[in-house]
Amino acid sequence: AQSVTQLGSHVSVSEGALVLLRCNYSSSVPPYLFWYVQYPNQGLQLLLKYTTGATLVKGINGFEAEFKKSETSFHLTKPSAHMSDAAEYFCAVSESNQGGKLIFGQGTELSVKP
Amino acid sequence: GAVVSQHPSRVICKSGTSVKIECRSLDFQATTMFWYRQFPKKSLMLMATSNEGSKATYEQGVEKDKFLINHASLTLSTLTVTSAHPEDSSFYICSATDLSNEQYFGPGTRLTVT
Repeated sequence: AQSVTQLGSHVSVSEGALVLLRCNYSSSVPPYLFWYVQYPNQGLQLLLKYTTGATLVKGINGFEAEFKKSETSFHLTKPSAHMSDAAEYFCAVSESNQGGKLIFGQGTELSVKP
Repeated sequence: GAVVSQHPSRVICKSGTSVKIECRSLDFQATTMFWYRQFPKKSLMLMATSNEGSKATYEQGVEKDKFLINHASLTLSTLTVTSAHPEDSSFYICSATDLSNEQYFGPGTRLTVT
């Protein structure tokens, strides 16, 4: 069975500071990994995804994530936080990229202080 | 990009009544649609997988007679919450996959049962 653990339900950073949101996964098959962002009372928007190939994945809004198989991690980073980055972030795993169901982590709320 | 809509965005209903939520893929044909439920400050929980023309596949612990899913066409799936109770109050989100197996999320429906 697959699972996702996001360390830290709430992360607070100052504007301009590094953003690091942690995600560890468990999967019996090579995983497909995703990061989504959710703004209040809205659906989810895909930030980036890892399927195969390059382990460093770049996404929208300056975010990137690195797939580390040895650490079963897929942490999300952004060099410089912006106020507009404040939102809920979800890491998710799927057994395939073939429109398969997603298993989500618990979510991390990112706050950005001016 | 592909757009998925949900209707209504918010609904308030009385306990014991039924409410229908629609999920539409506006500019693509969705081979598969998923229904998720999200509690406040919680992650998304997959309820069921819906394929056009066939019965939905429900996740363990989800009552199929309580949450009726109909995938009548390649662009429309509906979730009907039957005999709703206050504990059914939640944020319901659908997603749809296109022919390239990309998954797109709807904006969600806030259900409040009084």
